[in-house]
Amino acid sequence: QSALTQPASVSGSPGQSITISCTGTNSDVGNYNRVSWYQQHPGKAPKVMVYEDTKRPSGVSNRFSGSKSGNTASLTISGLQAEDEADYYCCSFAGSRNWVFGGGTKLTVL
Amino acid sequence: QVQVVESGGGVVQPGRSLRLSCVASGFTFTCCTLHWVRQAPGKGLEWVAAVRVDGSKQYFADSVQGRFAISRDNSKNMMYLQMNSLRAEDTALYYCAREPRDSFYFDYWGQGALVTVSS
Repeated sequence: QSALTQPASVSGSPGQSITISCTGTNSDVGNYNRVSWYQQHPGKAPKVMVYEDTKRPSGVSNRFSGSKSGNTASLTISGLQAEDEADYYCCSFAGSRNWVFGGGTKLTVL
Repeated sequence: QVQVVESGGGVVQPGRSLRLSCVASGFTFTCCTLHWVRQAPGKGLEWVAAVRVDGSKQYFADSVQGRFAISRDNSKNMMYLQMNSLRAEDTALYYCAREPRDSFYFDYWGQGALVTVSS
């Protein structure tokens, strides 16, 4: 099972919006509504920000939103804030009780 | 509150074995499938293994299939990862993570247990 493809880095200024893409195949991202996104600050455990492609867990800011089209999922962060600077990972269920992660995207808030 | 805490990490020689443990609290342990996810130093996340609620079903990534075993003891709120025939590429921080009620994502994570495979 190959890793999902994410850009290595993205950046934006405070108040702007950014989008991180996550490309898989029709065996994972495109076949299930089971993409989740995780935020990880240095030295910390990952935290779920979006699940089931578009749903946001209780307590996560509505500045974070997920979408999907075909084999590509996206995470958009609007109204960028300094504390959003972190690594972001997408993850998809891939069938047969297997999961696959993306390589991660480092978000820099300028 | 929900907590999962890993233990058992350490330095081990290639080819040897190590067992990680994960203790859970703050929720009904039998609600949820539990997973191990690892992160090599400076690298991304990699799903490793999962065990269903009653322990009857286990699932593994291709990279560890045949070398790792996963189990749980619902009477102790514990999950285990038995790692055999360890390789240098197994060096990573191993996270225990909860999957809420077959929802296919991970809502609570521990702080991780570091495994270093080196001679």
